[in-house]
Amino acid sequence: GAVVSQHPSWVICKSGTSVKIECRSLDFQATTMFWYRQFPKQSLMLMATSNEGSKATYEQGVEKDKFLINHASLTLSTLTVTSAHPEDSSFYICSASHRGQSSYEQYFGPGTRLTVT
Amino acid sequence: GESVGLHLPTLSVQEGDNSIINCAYSNSASDYFIWYKQESGKGPQFIIDIRSNMDKRQGQRVTVLLNKTVKHLSLQIAATQPGDSAVYFCAEGYTGNQFYFGTGTSLTVIP
Repeated sequence: GAVVSQHPSWVICKSGTSVKIECRSLDFQATTMFWYRQFPKQSLMLMATSNEGSKATYEQGVEKDKFLINHASLTLSTLTVTSAHPEDSSFYICSASHRGQSSYEQYFGPGTRLTVT
Repeated sequence: GESVGLHLPTLSVQEGDNSIINCAYSNSASDYFIWYKQESGKGPQFIIDIRSNMDKRQGQRVTVLLNKTVKHLSLQIAATQPGDSAVYFCAEGYTGNQFYFGTGTSLTVIP
C-alpha cells in the first residue's frame, strides 16, 4: 500500500515552454502533498506544501508564479513549470501524506526528470 | 529551510562490515527525524524514523541514534550488503508538516 506515482518520469522541453508534472496517490487519499526538487548530487529541497482544495504554501525563494501547484483532489496534485529555462532542469519529486494520518508519514513518488533545452 | 548537514559526503565499506552515517541538524525544536535511502534516479525510500523523546530506535539491520544535546543523528547499518549502496539522507521535521533534508552521504559497499 501507500504507492505514489508521477507522470511523466522523464521530460525534455524547449526553453520558454511550460511543463506539467502529475503526482498521484494510487491506493490512499492524500490530504497533503509535497513537492521537492533535487539537483544532481544534492539533497532534496522542499518547494511547496499542497493541501487538497486550498492554495499551496511555498517555501521562501520559490516563485509561486513560475511553479504552479494544483491539488484539486485527494489523489492528484500537479506541478506546472511555466516558461521553463535550462536552470529549471532538475529532478522533481512529490510525496504524499495519508488523509487522517500525521503529516510526518510521507510516501515519495519515483520522481520526474526535467531537462530544458 | 533548516540546516541539516552530514559530516561525510562519501563512505565506502566492505561487504559484511557495519556502516555508520552521521547527520547534524540545527533546529533544536525539531521533534521528528527520518532516514531515507535514495538509489540513482529514484525517489527516496523510508528507512527508519525516531521522535525526539527517544534516543535510540532499531529496525531490521538498522539502528538510529539521536543525541539532542549535540543535535546529532546517526544511522547504523549492520552487516552491510551491496544492495545497501545508495545515498542516505536524514530529514528533520518540527511543524508536523514540512520536512527538510540534509546534504546526503553516498554509501558504497565493496564486495
